[in-house]
Amino acid sequence: NAGVTQTPKFRVLKTGQSMTLLCAQDMNHEYMYWYRQDPGMGLRLIHYSVGEGTTAKGEVPDGYNVSRLKKQNFLLGLESAAPSQTSVYFCASRLDRGKAFFGQGTRLTVV
Amino acid sequence: DQQVKQNSPSLSVQEGRISILNCDYTNSMFDYFLWYKKYPAEGPTFLISISSIKDKNEDGRFTVFLNKSAKHLSLHIVPSQPGDSAVYFCAASGGGSTLGRLYFGRGTQLTVWP
Repeated sequence: NAGVTQTPKFRVLKTGQSMTLLCAQDMNHEYMYWYRQDPGMGLRLIHYSVGEGTTAKGEVPDGYNVSRLKKQNFLLGLESAAPSQTSVYFCASRLDRGKAFFGQGTRLTVV
Repeated sequence: DQQVKQNSPSLSVQEGRISILNCDYTNSMFDYFLWYKKYPAEGPTFLISISSIKDKNEDGRFTVFLNKSAKHLSLHIVPSQPGDSAVYFCAASGGGSTLGRLYFGRGTQLTVWP
């Protein structure tokens, strides 16, 4: 099993460009999450989903959109990238209220 | 407003000694707590968890203690090994208005020296 796979692993964007980060899980998990990790700030929740077709805002949703059209995929979109969105992004999935499994991360730099 | 707090950004311990990492939470709806370990350039990996119906859970060298009245949990690592050097995150989840969310603290960098 691949677990949680994030694509791409690295990306450099120019301010104002758009991009989509893809998260795929093969564990049939209901819950999926997008976090960002910044120095000294821990893991902050951007958006999450409790099932196919559902999405909800987390702690820092501004500037991001998400979609969960298929149960196994959770997409994170940046419509107009800003330097403040330079970060490491982690996707995670959970079956229910148990442990979450994380992807390897996407390092995004916005210049 | 942080609902899960790790007030010690770093901890340094000698190999073979006990490491104690602390975590506080504010939301009474939390009923399930987890610890994650993270190495540089990798995703966090699950370490150990505890439900609010227990006050202790052990797994090998790792033990998590939960004090519900104080809204405090701690992770004990005995004995500490150099390979334990990593960032440790405390996380919490629950029902009600928190259903579906998984909240994390800011992490504690543990360094185990020989």
